[in-house]
Amino acid sequence: QKEVEQDPGPLSVPEGAIVSLNCTYSNSAFQYFMWYRQYSRKGPELLMYTYSSGNKEDGRFTAQVDKSSKYISLFIRDSQPSDSATYLCAMTQGAQKLVFGQGTRLTINP
Amino acid sequence: DAGITQSPRHKVTETGTPVTLRCHQTENHRYMYWYRQDPGHGLRLIHYSYGVKDTDKGEVSDGYSVSRSKTEDFLLTLESATSSQTSVYFCAISPQGAATEAFFGQGTRLTVV
Repeated sequence: QKEVEQDPGPLSVPEGAIVSLNCTYSNSAFQYFMWYRQYSRKGPELLMYTYSSGNKEDGRFTAQVDKSSKYISLFIRDSQPSDSATYLCAMTQGAQKLVFGQGTRLTINP
Repeated sequence: DAGITQSPRHKVTETGTPVTLRCHQTENHRYMYWYRQDPGHGLRLIHYSYGVKDTDKGEVSDGYSVSRSKTEDFLLTLESATSSQTSVYFCAISPQGAATEAFFGQGTRLTVV
């Protein structure tokens, strides 16, 4: 069983919709949670960063962490075609290794 | 873009040949990583470095070796390439390790035939 599970999709929604992306994990020692966005044929780039539990908001993006359920989410409000990308969750205990989910491919249709 | 350059960007090689991929950074970050990305697996860590000559294995290190003789360069070597090593390889750097932002290169697309 993988340490981090993420539905690979693909997920296709109309422009303006609210998008919900999720990951579950098994290692209760994880404390740092991140979401990376990866455009086609590019390297991933950090989108959101959360330490421990709670919510974090940045513009149209909200990251949520529920450590009791070992579940993290990324919400995108008022989705735009430019949000079409692969979204990867990632997490770590704070040591040397970052563990990634397999990524969810998202398409926003105009 | 963070100052990371991967070379080559594309390579086709034959089974059994050695291959070296290079990652060069201009940010003077301490940590450097090599990942491979495959459909259905996401990004998997191959090896990482936490300083010059300091390296450690990731989850998929078999068949790979690394070297870091200078802060700015991290080399990944496939000793004898196999078809299962066909993948997209990403180098990443970070200033303070896994709990801080990682900056990724553009990737190297390797095909082993």
